[in-house]
Amino acid sequence: SAVISQKPSRDICQRGTSLTIQCQVDSQVTMMFWYRQQPGQSLTLIATANQGSEATYESGFVIDKFPISRPNLTFSTLTVSNMSPEDSSIYLCSVRRAESSYEQYFGPGTRLTVT
Amino acid sequence: AQKITQTQPGMFVQEKEAVTLDCTYDTSDPSYGLFWYKQPSSGEMIFLIYQGSYDQQNATEGRYSLNFQKARKSANLVISASQLGDSAMYFCAMREGAGAGGTSYGKLTFGQGTILTVHP
Repeated sequence: SAVISQKPSRDICQRGTSLTIQCQVDSQVTMMFWYRQQPGQSLTLIATANQGSEATYESGFVIDKFPISRPNLTFSTLTVSNMSPEDSSIYLCSVRRAESSYEQYFGPGTRLTVT
Repeated sequence: AQKITQTQPGMFVQEKEAVTLDCTYDTSDPSYGLFWYKQPSSGEMIFLIYQGSYDQQNATEGRYSLNFQKARKSANLVISASQLGDSAMYFCAMREGAGAGGTSYGKLTFGQGTILTVHP
């Protein structure tokens, strides 16, 4: 398995501000993803973090709102910009070690509350 | 149409008993993978078990087994000998184009989850 850490683990933020969430993996992985889980809901993929290039966003998610960086094969950040209460969610980093590996693991999540 | 359906919002089981959590899926892709994850109240997602669409045998991992019925498009999770620590939300998920570790970019589509409560 992969050991994934996320910072911060939780935060309370005011509307209109931005928060950057970090995801660190203990070894190089081919694929990194960011998911969102709104309260009482299931998980939804926000985007795939691509190393050295722009992230690939899912329908309904845009770069201006959720800019993502991935400078190397073990680290990625997700920024939630200009936050509103609707952004209150758990944000989870997910990794897949290689295309040949079926396993997909999740970080512990960042619990965000926007007031 | 929902790609992953979990029809049981909540399930209760007595400690040491077995429990089955239902999951049906919908895909036209012949190559796909099915996952089960456990989410305790802490919020982390714990990978439990995986079944590839071309796998001939049902997957097993310790007390977890996956009852894969391809024709019915169902992938039920069976937990044997339930423990109090099994109380959590359980999600079924599918990755299309994955097969037994294929080249899909990795999007998982999740069901709505089932809350399992284990009684002493």
